[in-house]
Amino acid sequence: GESVGLHLPTLSVQEGDNSIINCAYSNSASDYFIWYKQESGKGPQFIIDIRSNMDKRQGQRVTVLLNKTVKHLSLQIAATQPGDSAVYFCAEIAYSSASKIIFGSGTRLSIRP
Amino acid sequence: DVKVTQSSRYLVKRTGEKVFLECVQDMDHENMFWYRQDPGLGLRLIYFSYDVKMKEKGDIPEGYSVSREKKERFSLILESASTNQTSMYLCASSLFPGGDNQPQHFGDGTRLSIL
Repeated sequence: GESVGLHLPTLSVQEGDNSIINCAYSNSASDYFIWYKQESGKGPQFIIDIRSNMDKRQGQRVTVLLNKTVKHLSLQIAATQPGDSAVYFCAEIAYSSASKIIFGSGTRLSIRP
Repeated sequence: DVKVTQSSRYLVKRTGEKVFLECVQDMDHENMFWYRQDPGLGLRLIYFSYDVKMKEKGDIPEGYSVSREKKERFSLILESASTNQTSMYLCASSLFPGGDNQPQHFGDGTRLSIL
């Protein structure tokens, strides 16, 4: 959904553990979903994407899961490292809505040594 | 790798000035976008362009205009800068009109302060 919150939710994870970041999307007609990582002072960086006809996609150390029944998207990061510290946000696109991209508000991931 | 380059990382301008923010992409993408990013408000679309000389208003176009004279370059113009335009400005580009399963790739942003 669209960002409205002033304070980002924060996830604190021990280095080496797996991280799971969740996103509730707004439009049941969305066709395509993207996860971005934004480090401090930088622009959003593409991590992984998934189409609505899939429920899981894996990349390097990352997995995205899509549950269309409950409009839920998650990003799993395996063996979390200090370099994973960032804000992560999801984005959704519905081609029936002129492909307007809607960004989630984001989750801040912090890593404990 | 896609490279989206924004001309300035930090910019300080005065109220009433005309401000130009430049963005260049090197992947021959048809689509280009300008967003602003503010705490608590996330990313908001200002303008986008599907092709050279084409432009479409986004969600918050007031006070801004754009120019796309070449495919690789998309400029954002603040006609008469105001303090409420102090923000982080992000440029993005993507392949194919309409997205078609192609993500938007972002530059590193321009942090603009209007005094």
